[in-house]
Order: sequence, then C-alpha cells, then structure tokens
Amino acid sequence: GAVVSQHPSRVICKSGTSVKIECRSLDFQATTMFWYRQFPKQSLMLMATSNEGSKATYEQGVEKDKFLINHASLTLSTLTVTSAHPEDSSFYICSAQGTGSLYEQYFGPGTRLTVT
Amino acid sequence: QKEVEQNSGPLSVPEGAIASLNCTYSDRGSQSFFWYRQYSGKSPELIMSIYSNGDKEDGRFTAQLNKASQYVSLLIRDSQPSDSATYLCAVNPPNAGNNRKLIWGLGTSLAVNP
Repeated sequence: GAVVSQHPSRVICKSGTSVKIECRSLDFQATTMFWYRQFPKQSLMLMATSNEGSKATYEQGVEKDKFLINHASLTLSTLTVTSAHPEDSSFYICSAQGTGSLYEQYFGPGTRLTVT
Repeated sequence: QKEVEQNSGPLSVPEGAIASLNCTYSDRGSQSFFWYRQYSGKSPELIMSIYSNGDKEDGRFTAQLNKASQYVSLLIRDSQPSDSATYLCAVNPPNAGNNRKLIWGLGTSLAVNP
C-alpha cells in the first residue's frame, strides 16, 4: 500500500520552455501533497505544500509564479516549471499524505529535470 | 539552532554490526517522528515511524524515542552492505495548524563495509 507515482521520471527541455510533472497516489487518497527539490549531494528542500482543492502554500524563497502547483483531485497533483532555465535543473520529488494520517509522507520516485 | 539535527557522517560500520543513528529536535511539542532511507539518486523511503516514548521494533530496525531528552534514534542490527544509504530524520512541527509538513534533518550517511 501507499504507492505514489511520478511522471515523467526524466525530462530534458530547452531553456525558456515549461515542463509539467505529475504526482499520483495510486492506492490511497491524498489530502495533502508536497513538492521537494534536491540538488546533487544536498538535502531535501521543501518547495510547497498543496491541499486538494485549495491554493498551494509555498516556502520562503520559492517563486509561486515560476513553480505552478495544482492539486485538483485527491489522487493527483501537478508541478509546472515555467520558463525553465539551466539553474532549475534538479531532482524534483513529490510526496503524499493520506487522509487521517499521522503526518507520514510517501514519496514518488522523483523526476530528474535537465534544462539545456 | 537547527530544528532537527543529525550527524552528517559518514558513519562507517562493518557488516553484521549494529549501526546507531541519532537525531535531536528542538521543539518539545513534536509528536510524530519518522526515519527515511534514501539511496543515492533515489527518493526517500519511509522505514520507521514512532509516536510514543520507548522502543519500536520492525525486523532489523529499532526506533527509540525519548521526548524528555528530545532525541530519536534508529538502530540497524546485523547491518548489510545494502543498508548503505543516507538516513533522514523527520519530525512534525507542533502548532502547524493546517500545514502538515515535516521538518527534516540533513541526513546521516551510513556505509556498511563488507
């Protein structure tokens, strides 16, 4: 149980284009999903928290207009990196919390984004 | 002072030994504590959760929580080379209201030597 998928697993895009990453909870309903970013050999950095049907809460320093988050259903959240630049190249990971959970988060496998 | 602290390591243990990983947290009101394992290039995987003082065992893993001293530890018995990874400690912040995020330590790198 508690399986989270992410798509795509890897994406290469040109500078200036936008990329959408999907995060799905496959066998449970996720009221809350989280988006993280991790640079090589660095720790997880929380970007934003999204609750189904409401606006995402962004962490300090994360540009909400650049990283668009939509959590339209209890099983799907999307992150769109708009006007991507090489410095946005990173490992993006989503996690999901089930309804009634005691805060545990289940992670998707991650999306490796390379912007050329 | 960081909210969740871990020794970055690397912690090196021989195969078959007990690996002991420690984590301290600053907010006394925290109630939920988690250990995640992250292999290089992969996403984190939940391996233990603990909510009450004392020990919780699951296979080769034992989580220990001491709320009075504000620390949580993870013991790995009979360590295997496949246990070599970064171990992340995560704690829920009290008074978070509707935001259910976790506060993360920076992780301890564990190397199990054959």
